[in-house]
Amino acid sequence: GAVVSQHPSWVICKSGTSVKIECRSLDFQATTMFWYRQFPKQSLMLMATSNEGSKATYEQGVEKDKFLINHASLTLSTLTVTSAHPEDSSFYICSAWGEGSGNTIYFGEGSWLTVV
Amino acid sequence: RKEVEQDPGPFNVPEGATVAFNCTYSNSASQSFFWYRQDCRKEPKLLMSVYSSGNEDGRFTAQLNRASQYISLLIRDSKLSDSATYLCVVRARGSARQLTFGSGTQLTVLP
Repeated sequence: GAVVSQHPSWVICKSGTSVKIECRSLDFQATTMFWYRQFPKQSLMLMATSNEGSKATYEQGVEKDKFLINHASLTLSTLTVTSAHPEDSSFYICSAWGEGSGNTIYFGEGSWLTVV
Repeated sequence: RKEVEQDPGPFNVPEGATVAFNCTYSNSASQSFFWYRQDCRKEPKLLMSVYSSGNEDGRFTAQLNRASQYISLLIRDSKLSDSATYLCVVRARGSARQLTFGSGTQLTVLP
């Protein structure tokens, strides 16, 4: 079946630095990718929707200049957390949909970010 | 009000028990409905879609009541491996396939 791979699985960074998370669709063309954030014991919250070749659409309250999303190809989207702070520590997860995924949205394995 | 609301849980049940989860959604334009399962520190995985006529997959039965905007999941003969957080998920018509997640209900099946 379709697979979405996310990297890195775990990352620890210093406050003030930037971190890039990659999301790849391995066997289908991901026309649309979604980025979510999940704090402990809370629901997944949609951060932004990105369509290949277009600017991402951010949800209300999500700073587009802080969470940079690039979806330059049909198999790769990246989320860069800029000038990370401890409150950005969270579980970030992508999902993807496109031709070849059927009617199913597939999730990446998620990335745990800890900012110290 | 949250778009998707679930039983707060947690549910702690013995092996073999039957357990039911409920979910309500506020957007009447919601078109597709799902139950996902999320294990600790892992990504959500699709458990089953929910259809208007109700559907069953082994020990799992899902039902949808569009008039009441209510979704349910029934698990029969609970197994230890069923321990997880169950997420109620909806997608609105024309929402470019965005999913809206409930906060989840934690289930622990005890030996």
